[in-house]
Amino acid sequence: GQNIDQPTEMTATEGAIVQINCTYQTSGFNGLFWYQQHAGEAPTFLSYNVLDGLEEKGRFSSFLSRSKGYSYLLLKELQMKDSASYLCAVQRGTYKYIFGTGTRLKVLA
Amino acid sequence: DADVTQTPRNRITKTGKRIMLECSQTKGHDRMYWYRQDPGLGLRLIYYSFDVKDINKGEISDGYSVSRQAQAKFSLSLESAIPNQTALYFCATSAKISNQPQHFGDGTRLSIL
Repeated sequence: GQNIDQPTEMTATEGAIVQINCTYQTSGFNGLFWYQQHAGEAPTFLSYNVLDGLEEKGRFSSFLSRSKGYSYLLLKELQMKDSASYLCAVQRGTYKYIFGTGTRLKVLA
Repeated sequence: DADVTQTPRNRITKTGKRIMLECSQTKGHDRMYWYRQDPGLGLRLIYYSFDVKDINKGEISDGYSVSRQAQAKFSLSLESAIPNQTALYFCATSAKISNQPQHFGDGTRLSIL
């Protein structure tokens, strides 16, 4: 089968670091995407991993371990505008994307 | 201007009505998708299309149909709307290359009374 698990909600303080985990079980793994989605808006692309290791992009980093079926998104120097949902999505084969239910992050002042 | 445009942005209608949601894109992508998003369920795939002549059902296609009028246009129809089709609907596009992300429209909030 195929399954993606993320925590439902997390809370962190402005200026802190937060790690959002994603575990998956799927066949035909061909990469993992992280998207940010503000309430009522479109998901927007944050990062992509297909090989094991860390990808860094400014305040955001994403890590992948294919053998463990595990990824995380790391957000540093949190800002109020980072309050949003973060979606983990696994690409199966060349065209199919399986989305997790998302993690709602609240950043407190 | 948005690369992926959905119309309408909001729609309230009654049970049994036929509804069409439209999506157009200027990204030049071959692949287009329709998803619905419900609280606690994440994004679920309704239909996808690789080109004008290639349309495929997703995981929740019952009660929906689609039309790919051109490379840039992909519309979703609810033939006879029912209340449990109330949701936020997103159109998305992607390039053929497998490591490319999807690009989403701003969504259509559909309420069926």
